[in-house]
Amino acid sequence: QSVLTQAPSASGTPGQRVTISCSGSSSNIGSNYVYWYQQLPGTAPKLLIYRNNQRPSGVPDRFSGSKSGTSASLAISGLRSEDEADYYCAAWDDSLSACVFGPGTKVTVL
Amino acid sequence: QAQLVQSGAEVKKPGASVKVSCKTSGYTFINYGISWVRQAPGQGLEWMGWISAYNGDTYYAQNLQGRVTMTTDTSTTTAYMELRSLTSDDTALYYCARDPGVTGSTYHMDVWGKGTTVIVSS
Repeated sequence: QSVLTQAPSASGTPGQRVTISCSGSSSNIGSNYVYWYQQLPGTAPKLLIYRNNQRPSGVPDRFSGSKSGTSASLAISGLRSEDEADYYCAAWDDSLSACVFGPGTKVTVL
Repeated sequence: QAQLVQSGAEVKKPGASVKVSCKTSGYTFINYGISWVRQAPGQGLEWMGWISAYNGDTYYAQNLQGRVTMTTDTSTTTAYMELRSLTSDDTALYYCARDPGVTGSTYHMDVWGKGTTVIVSS
C-alpha cells in the first residue's frame, strides 16, 4: 500500500491533453518536492519532472508538472503515441525518512 | 556522458545473499550519490535506499533495514548493493540511479542503469 495515490490508468487520443494526479499527505507532498518519472515498456525509468514543475533538458515542454497542497499533477499536452508509458510520482516522506513512489499510472494512447 | 552499467542477472535460493554492482563513468563519482530502486514483476517502483559516494553515508528504507548494505568503491567508481536473507518477495529488477545528493538523497534520479534481474527460487 503506497502512501501516494495515483489512478491506475489514463487514456487519450493523439493531440489530446491528459492529466495524471498524485495525492499524498502533509508528511510527503505537503512538505517536499514532487518528482515524476516516465517508464516506457521494458526500459528503465526516466526523470521527467523535478522539483514540482522543472523539466530536465531534453524533455519536451508538452510535459508539465504542478503541485498544490498535498496533491500534484502531471499534464501531457498534444498526446503522442510515444507517450504510452507508466508514470510515477515520487516524494520524500518525512515520517518514513524515505523516498516514496506512487503506484504508477499507465497512459494509453487510443 | 554519464553512464551506469549494472552486473548481470542472478538466481538465488531462499536465504541466500546477492550483491549487485553498478559501474559508473562519465562524471565525477564523489560529487553524487547513488540510489537503488527495485521493481517486482508487474509492479511499481520501490526506493531501497541511497549512499553518498562522497563519504559513504547511507539511508535505507525501513522495511529493508538490517538486510541491505550499500557501499561504494571510489577507486573503481562502482556502487554495490547487497541484500541478505532473500525470499521470493525479493524477486525483482534492481536499478541503480545517480542522485545529486551527497549529504542526503534528493531522489532526483537523473541517470539510471538498465537494471539487474534477481530471481529468488528454490
